[in-house]
Amino acid sequence: SQQGEEDPQALSIQEGENATMNCSYKTSINNLQWYRQNSGRGLVHLILIRSNEREKHSGRLRVTLDTSKKSSSLLITASRAADTASYFCATDPLGNYGQNFVFGPGTRLSVLP
Amino acid sequence: DTAVSQTPKYLVTQMGNDKSIKCEQNLGHDTMYWYKQDSKKFLKIMFSYNNKELIINETVPNRFSPKSPDKAHLNLHINSLELGDSAVYFCASSHRLAGGRSSSYNEQFFGPGTRLTVL
Repeated sequence: SQQGEEDPQALSIQEGENATMNCSYKTSINNLQWYRQNSGRGLVHLILIRSNEREKHSGRLRVTLDTSKKSSSLLITASRAADTASYFCATDPLGNYGQNFVFGPGTRLSVLP
Repeated sequence: DTAVSQTPKYLVTQMGNDKSIKCEQNLGHDTMYWYKQDSKKFLKIMFSYNNKELIINETVPNRFSPKSPDKAHLNLHINSLELGDSAVYFCASSHRLAGGRSSSYNEQFFGPGTRLTVL
């Protein structure tokens, strides 16, 4: 099964609203990362949160990490049409031995103008 | 300048053929990867390669083989292509923090992807 699983699978909101996506994982991690993928493009790194951090901000992005629940959330505030993309969480598991960055299936976000 | 580049962007070929996808990174990273993204957007790591140490995902068929002529390149060779190989293949690179095989990694930089279609 997937180490990182995003929830919801798809999210549709109006421009200006906030979008929240969640990620759950199964094993202990070094860090957790969020990526964005625009249609037909490669993934772009958004933010990295380490296992000893609980919250991190970057512009309109806010990421939280709860290692006791093995979950993370990505909040995009004041969404824009340009935020329309798929969002993936990826975990860097402890003792990964190269099987790092296990990606979830992603959340497809649609921001309607 | 493109950080991670892949060629070709599109690849259409017949079953049974052998093909290669090239990847180059100019970020000075020490670790490179190949991922396969299927039609449902699941992204699965195939290989990671660090300082000539190759870590293979055991689910990857041995028809797939990575070749790294130097630290900046990690090419993917695929023999005897099958219909199920159709997917988008992404190359990525990152910098591994000090600490050995179980150390943590910084963010990955992805190439634009190669859409492989096997007919």
